[in-house]
Amino acid sequence: AQSVTQPDIHITVSEGASLELRCNYSYGATPYLFWYVQSPGQGLQLLLKYFSGDTLVQGIKGFEAEFKRSQSSFNLRKPSVHWSDAAEYFCAVEGTYKYIFGTGTRLKVLA
Amino acid sequence: SQTIHQWPATLVQPVGSPLSLECTVEGTSNPNLYWYRQAAGRGLQLLFYSVGIGQISSEVPQNLSASRPQDRQFILSSKKLLLSDSGFYLCAWRIQGNGELFFGEGSRLTVL
Repeated sequence: AQSVTQPDIHITVSEGASLELRCNYSYGATPYLFWYVQSPGQGLQLLLKYFSGDTLVQGIKGFEAEFKRSQSSFNLRKPSVHWSDAAEYFCAVEGTYKYIFGTGTRLKVLA
Repeated sequence: SQTIHQWPATLVQPVGSPLSLECTVEGTSNPNLYWYRQAAGRGLQLLFYSVGIGQISSEVPQNLSASRPQDRQFILSSKKLLLSDSGFYLCAWRIQGNGELFFGEGSRLTVL
């Protein structure tokens, strides 16, 4: 069955520090993978997506993610976190018509 | 450009009352449409999706239902709300085929 695991429920980093959010997926075929960000009380906004090709994908707001098939991972990274990055982040995999989301990682940024 | 509208934004309803949440998409045709529910600490739970008018697929058996009376309209309903129906409901769409989901701003439902 398709599934997405985000092992970190909460992460706290200092402003300016680097960030890595983990995502592991289970999917039988080549996955289509996504990272979304959600500010409190808002809908989800797409940060980046992976369909094929280059395994390092660039997204908005300075985020990037690397697809590693051997590890079934699609980790999100940012070299220097800004206070405005505080939000909840969701990893997702697309199946046939369906999108399976992880339970999310809530990011707190310390000034 | 495409936009998605979802309403109402906030709703407080008593147990046993009916529910209707509406979602419309503009600027595209024949989208795939989705209803998700988000409860604290549980991520996004897919409730229903639709690939065309009148075509509804249900993911979770419960007292909710969905309808798609028009190509770009998706409605989430209940005849009698339960306390456990409280949550943040998100409508989303994508173009036919594959690609990213585009989300509405959500509807916060509190059942008392």
